[in-house]
Amino acid sequence: EDQVTQSPEALRLQEGESSSLNCSYTVSGLRGLFWYRQDPGKGPEFLFTLYSAGEEKEKERLKATLTKKESFLHITAPKPEDSATYLCAVSAGNTPLVFGKGTRLSVIA
Amino acid sequence: DSGVTQTPKHLITATGQRVTLRCSPRSGDLSVYWYQQSLDQGLQFLIQYYNGEERAKGNILERFSAQQFPDLHSELNLSSLELGDSALYFCASSVEWRTEAFFGQGTRLTVV
Repeated sequence: EDQVTQSPEALRLQEGESSSLNCSYTVSGLRGLFWYRQDPGKGPEFLFTLYSAGEEKEKERLKATLTKKESFLHITAPKPEDSATYLCAVSAGNTPLVFGKGTRLSVIA
Repeated sequence: DSGVTQTPKHLITATGQRVTLRCSPRSGDLSVYWYQQSLDQGLQFLIQYYNGEERAKGNILERFSAQQFPDLHSELNLSSLELGDSALYFCASSVEWRTEAFFGQGTRLTVV
């Protein structure tokens, strides 16, 4: 069975304190790895798609990277508005997106 | 705004009742997914349709059913509702069935 594990479950950062979120996966035939941001009570907002090991994508203070076993979401100099739950999902074989449980990020001013 | 529209936003109903949730995908998207999100469960995949046909099935209860219509909108029907069915229900759509999916704002269902 495909597995997606995110760590840590929760992360509290001071404004400007850079850090990384981890998403490890065990799937056969990875087709894509996806990062989403979700605010409380809202739908997940698409951030990035990564398709192959070594690939990197950037958007403002966020940078996503991918290896054969895991992905990292690096947050550089975060601001309070970056506070949200960050979700990782994988697509493999013929199955639709399988999501991890997410990392709850709090950025304190 | 993702372009995916879900109605209603909120729904409160009694146990044993039946409700229908509606989803309009982004223009041009052929694939529609339904997910359930409870407090401690994360996003659980229920079912996927592609161009009107069922493509994949996840942990969807027999009391739940869905369909995608010729105009590509989709409906999720939940029947014989139980307290434990209270959750956020999300619809998502994508161009093809393996690409990134875009989510609607969800329907919050409360069963009392």
